[in-house]
Amino acid sequence: DGGITQSPKYLFRKEGQNVTLSCEQNLNHDAMYWYRQDPGQGLRLIYYSQIVNDFQKGDIAEGYSVSREKKESFPLTVTSAQKNPTAFYLCASSARVTGSNQPQHFGDGTRLSIL
Amino acid sequence: QKEVEQDPGPLSVPEGAIVSLNCTYSNSAFQYFMWYRQYSRKGPELLMYTYSSGNKEDGRFTAQVDKSSKYISLFIRDSQPSDSATYLCALLFSGSARQLTFGSGTQLTVLP
Repeated sequence: DGGITQSPKYLFRKEGQNVTLSCEQNLNHDAMYWYRQDPGQGLRLIYYSQIVNDFQKGDIAEGYSVSREKKESFPLTVTSAQKNPTAFYLCASSARVTGSNQPQHFGDGTRLSIL
Repeated sequence: QKEVEQDPGPLSVPEGAIVSLNCTYSNSAFQYFMWYRQYSRKGPELLMYTYSSGNKEDGRFTAQVDKSSKYISLFIRDSQPSDSATYLCALLFSGSARQLTFGSGTQLTVLP
């Protein structure tokens, strides 16, 4: 079955530590996205990537970094500079980006907490 | 003012009721409209997608778009306890290379 796999499902971070969240898709989608979801709020975009080796900042990129070395993979690193990292992180992908009529499909998220 | 406003709920209805979920938006450049359903501790799942004014039906779900009023709705007929979830509207600009703009979500509980 095609889909988006996020791992781990739960992650704990110590103060001053960087952690990396994995996102893999086998949908052959060009574009991938990372969102952050906080209770009672909608999804906020962290980073997005339209093609391999290219990515752009979203609305809340500070304290996060990404890479896109393969079409299937778009890992997100939460750095120690992100002072309030506790949230539910969602990865998504879509077939096209510009003028897209292909909506985004989501993984089941990673819940990050601070120890 | 937020670009997309969504009734926050929570909304609680008896099984079999008709549910109406709504979003308003301020930017007429939005051209694509989606509704996602999100169960607890899961990712959003696409329910409905449309780009024109009017109604689009899929089983018990109807998406309604009124571009002149900048208002979108999702109707659920014969609601079931399995419909209990958070519903998110999401909008996209035509030609956008960025991302969806999401409403904050409405939490729905259907009581058996």
